Amino acid sequence: EAEVAQSPRYKITEKSQAVAFWCDPISGHATLYWYRQILGQGPELLVQFQDESVVDDSQLPKDRFSAERLKGVDSTLKIQPAELGDSAMYLCASKPGQGPHYEQYFGPGTRLTVT
Amino acid sequence: KQEVTQIPAALSVPEGENLVLNCSFTDSAIYNLQWFRQDPGKGLTSLLLIQSSQREQTSGRLNASLDKSSGRSTLYIAASQPGDSATYLCAALSNDYKLSFGAGTTVTVRA
Repeated sequence: EAEVAQSPRYKITEKSQAVAFWCDPISGHATLYWYRQILGQGPELLVQFQDESVVDDSQLPKDRFSAERLKGVDSTLKIQPAELGDSAMYLCASKPGQGPHYEQYFGPGTRLTVT
Repeated sequence: KQEVTQIPAALSVPEGENLVLNCSFTDSAIYNLQWFRQDPGKGLTSLLLIQSSQREQTSGRLNASLDKSSGRSTLYIAASQPGDSATYLCAALSNDYKLSFGAGTTVTVRA
């Protein structure tokens, strides 16, 4: 069964350092999401891609976060510089298209700890 | 903005008891309502998805109901087992195609 892949699974970094996460969606899935989940809360959308284009990045802190999906397949989320408040689980999800009848499939997540 | 609330935040029951998890949402104009399971430090596993035109959805020991007009969904887990211990999240897909999550209910099933 096809799955969304994410790496690394765990990352510890010091504040002010740069960190990057990678996501490989299910093959053929045109829509890709990055979510942030703070401990004890539900996931919140950071950015949505349709193929290589950003559809929604209204909740992405653009002063320090960036996301790209250059060839419309895998995606990278970067934080520079990392802050203590960035400690969270970063989840990637994908689905075949934008329509509401498509279900999102989630990856295992990357747990970030900023010290 | 869609607000999704799950009460209680935590629940502990003895093995064999039925579980009832509640989810409420403020905007009834949704496409669907989805329930997820999340084990500690792991990603989300989809359990059930109820379309807005449906009243309920069943899978094995799990049954989810949806009352769109009142903004509520309930997840029932029959004959709970220790392996059911996890956090359960509900999420509503709104008209802008965005998924809004509740904070989850953490369930502990005692052997």
